[in-house]
Amino acid sequence: QSALTQPASVSGSPGQSITISCTGASSDVGGYNYVSWYQQHPGKAPRLMIYDVSNRPSGVSNRFSGSKSGNTASLTISGLQAEDEAHYYCSSYTSSARGVFGGGTNLTVL
Amino acid sequence: QVQLVQSGAEVKKPGASVKVSCKASGYTFTDHYIHWVRQAPGQGLEWIGWIKPNNGATNYAQNFQDWVTMTRDTSISTAYMELTRLRSDDTALYYCARGPLWPRFDSWGQGTLVTVSS
Repeated sequence: QSALTQPASVSGSPGQSITISCTGASSDVGGYNYVSWYQQHPGKAPRLMIYDVSNRPSGVSNRFSGSKSGNTASLTISGLQAEDEAHYYCSSYTSSARGVFGGGTNLTVL
Repeated sequence: QVQLVQSGAEVKKPGASVKVSCKASGYTFTDHYIHWVRQAPGQGLEWIGWIKPNNGATNYAQNFQDWVTMTRDTSISTAYMELTRLRSDDTALYYCARGPLWPRFDSWGQGTLVTVSS
């Protein structure tokens, strides 16, 4: 199972919006509504930000939103803030009842 | 509150085995899968596999199938992951995480650093 494809880095200024893509295949992202997104700050465990494509866990800001079209899922962060600077990873369920992560995206807030 | 507490850091020689534990509390252990994820230094997340605590069923990523074993002890709400024939590129932080069958991880352990070095 190959890793899902994410851009290595994205950047934006405070207050702006950014979108991170996560591209897979019909056997993972495109086949199931089981895409999650995680935020990871240096030295910390990942934190669940979006689950099942577009749902936010309790406590996650509504500035974070998720969507999916075909084999590509997206995470959008609006109103960028300094504390959003982190690595972001997508994950998906696969046809073999396994999981797979994206390679990760480093978000820089300029 | 939900907590996953992992065992401490390990240093192993190439070819050795390591067994990492993950003790769950704050919820019914058998109601959720335990997944294992690793992160090599400066690298991304890699899914290793899951165990279903209520019956011990497992499913491993293809890359790990021949050298990982996941088990559990429901009497103490603890999951285990054993890696055999360790190599230097197995040096990583190993996390356990709670979720359903699919990778939706709402709670993570603190991570266990496994260092493989001669």
